[in-house]
Amino acid sequence: TAGITQAPTSQILAAGRSMTLRCTQDMRHNAMYWYRQDLGLGLRLIHYSNTAGTTGKGEVPDGYSVSRANTDDFPLTLASAVPSQTSVYFCASSDSVSSPDTQYFGPGTRLTVL
Amino acid sequence: GQNIDQPTEMTATEGAIVQINCTYQTSGFNGLFWYQQHAGEAPTFLSYNVLDGLEEKGRFSSFLSRSKGYSYLLLKELQMKDSASYLCAHMDSNYQLIWGAGTKLIIKP
Repeated sequence: TAGITQAPTSQILAAGRSMTLRCTQDMRHNAMYWYRQDLGLGLRLIHYSNTAGTTGKGEVPDGYSVSRANTDDFPLTLASAVPSQTSVYFCASSDSVSSPDTQYFGPGTRLTVL
Repeated sequence: GQNIDQPTEMTATEGAIVQINCTYQTSGFNGLFWYQQHAGEAPTFLSYNVLDGLEEKGRFSSFLSRSKGYSYLLLKELQMKDSASYLCAHMDSNYQLIWGAGTKLIIKP
């Protein structure tokens, strides 16, 4: 089982450009999450989705948008990138949204905005 | 509010024991998770505690005291491959994880 895949692995992006980070899971999990991880800070939740067709804002949603057209895919879009969005982005999924459950992480996308 | 604290960095010797502490404050609690993250890799699940006490899993054990807002991860018989960051996270009343900044564990021969 592949689990969660993310693409691209890394990217250098000019400020002002748009970009979509891709995330796909094959575990049929209900919930999916996007986090960013910055040095000295904990993982911070950007957006989440409890089920296909629904999304919610996390701790740091500004400048990002998501969609959840189906169970497997949860893309994250930066409409107009800024240098402060330089970070490592992790996608995660979990089966349950109404009880404690382990989150499983993808390998991450390292994004540099210049 | 919600807050979670853990030491930034710890150093230990191969073969020894190390305890990584985590304290949290939260208005809603659905358990405490520990994850391991090797440099450049994704976090991977280590343990989950929701009741007070010690959970043992091989060389790794995790302890929780809900009344004190305190947890620790105990690593025994340290191996070089245990060099990694250890992330503490509590699950809030909405089943979202609130993460600490992580503790970088350096193992010396």
